[in-house]
Amino acid sequence: DSGVTQTPKHLITATGQRVTLRCSPRSGDLSVYWYQQSLDQGLQFLIQYYNGEERAKGNILERFSAQQFPDLHSELNLSSLELGDSALYFCASSRGEKNIQYFGAGTRLSVL
Amino acid sequence: DQQVKQNSPSLSVQEGRISILNCDYTNSMFDYFLWYKKYPAEGPTFLISISSIKDKNEDGRFTVFLNKSAKHLSLHIVPSQPGDSAVYFCAASASQGGKLIFGQGTELSVKP
Repeated sequence: DSGVTQTPKHLITATGQRVTLRCSPRSGDLSVYWYQQSLDQGLQFLIQYYNGEERAKGNILERFSAQQFPDLHSELNLSSLELGDSALYFCASSRGEKNIQYFGAGTRLSVL
Repeated sequence: DQQVKQNSPSLSVQEGRISILNCDYTNSMFDYFLWYKKYPAEGPTFLISISSIKDKNEDGRFTVFLNKSAKHLSLHIVPSQPGDSAVYFCAASASQGGKLIFGQGTELSVKP
């Protein structure tokens, strides 16, 4: 158990809809990262938050947004969903030591 | 532009033998390299890392070698066990606490 909790585990929705993925980091970790893994692909970095502030952005679509709350949990909001958004979404947290990030079990999003 | 590459999608080895997983990178600014192991329906689990100032790091059955001049790293697992069967991801980072850039993964199968 990495200590990072992601909910829900599975999400099935329709095109055009909006969903929210939630992540609770390990106790004491200030950084939260979101990654997307599409079929047969490596993990692609989306966005990083550090102690409530956006720290870095990767290949995140404008239809996607995220935030980190005062209790350090984070939410990834995906809107106007398209078939191509179907993927595994992972959250990771870190204290920055040796750049080790600890991953949650992921949320599998299926857009039908 | 794939900065981290794992050119072997799969690898099969016999139990007790050595498994060697390879990874190449292009960005000379990377200063930390990490290996993650992933089982189906789980998030990536941190395995071992190496700083760019070192050329070898060992942890039990796992050893990572870094060849900076060739921009190449490898993970050696000795002896391989059936429980090691998983997808292995190589990842790199260019800044403390920064995003990880992942390779595509190599699926290792260790046969009894």
